[in-house]
Amino acid sequence: EAGVAQSPRYKIIEKRQSVAFWCNPISGHATLYWYQQILGQGPKLLIQFQNNGVVDDSQLPKDRFSAERLKGVDSTLKIQPAKLEDSAVYLCASSLEVGQPQHFGDGTRLSIL
Amino acid sequence: AQSVTQPDIHITVSEGASLELRCNYSYGATPYLFWYVQSPGQGLQLLLKYFSGDTLVQGIKGFEAEFKRSQSSFNLRKPSVHWSDAAEYFCAVGARNNNDMRFGAGTRLTVKP
Repeated sequence: EAGVAQSPRYKIIEKRQSVAFWCNPISGHATLYWYQQILGQGPKLLIQFQNNGVVDDSQLPKDRFSAERLKGVDSTLKIQPAKLEDSAVYLCASSLEVGQPQHFGDGTRLSIL
Repeated sequence: AQSVTQPDIHITVSEGASLELRCNYSYGATPYLFWYVQSPGQGLQLLLKYFSGDTLVQGIKGFEAEFKRSQSSFNLRKPSVHWSDAAEYFCAVGARNNNDMRFGAGTRLTVKP
């Protein structure tokens, strides 16, 4: 089975610019997650979707971050405007349903200059 | 909310030696527990999980972990480490009624020849 696909793998932008990441989950997985992993830390959940609805976005900085999952499949995460502290790896994961193991993509490494 | 502590930031072992990575969790009920491994530049790969039943769980790549409720621990073990096991290891705890999974800060494993 194909894994979770993410693009781009790397992105370098200047602060105050905008950036978008894309994720395609494993086929049939209803639940999709976006995580932020700062260097030296474990992943932190930003937002969780069940199909195309948001289940949990309590840790998403909504003044600058947004995410959508159109048609309950692909998802995009956007940052606008970016700050220096947003430098991190952004991981997408999916699972069959809530409570099941999550499968991770390789992530997008974002560097803010 | 649940939380995870991985007391060891960095561990070095010789190839062929045994390995134990520590994980302590905090959660009011019986949790879901996971170990993930992350190689440089890649996403997280699930090594093993505990949901219920036998407290000693077997995973991929020769890893095992034991759930000890009395100690709130879920330590990862491997009897003989291979050079390819060098990576970052993350313990995670999830709640049974949702998928609010919390990760530890990780333990970096170095394998000496």
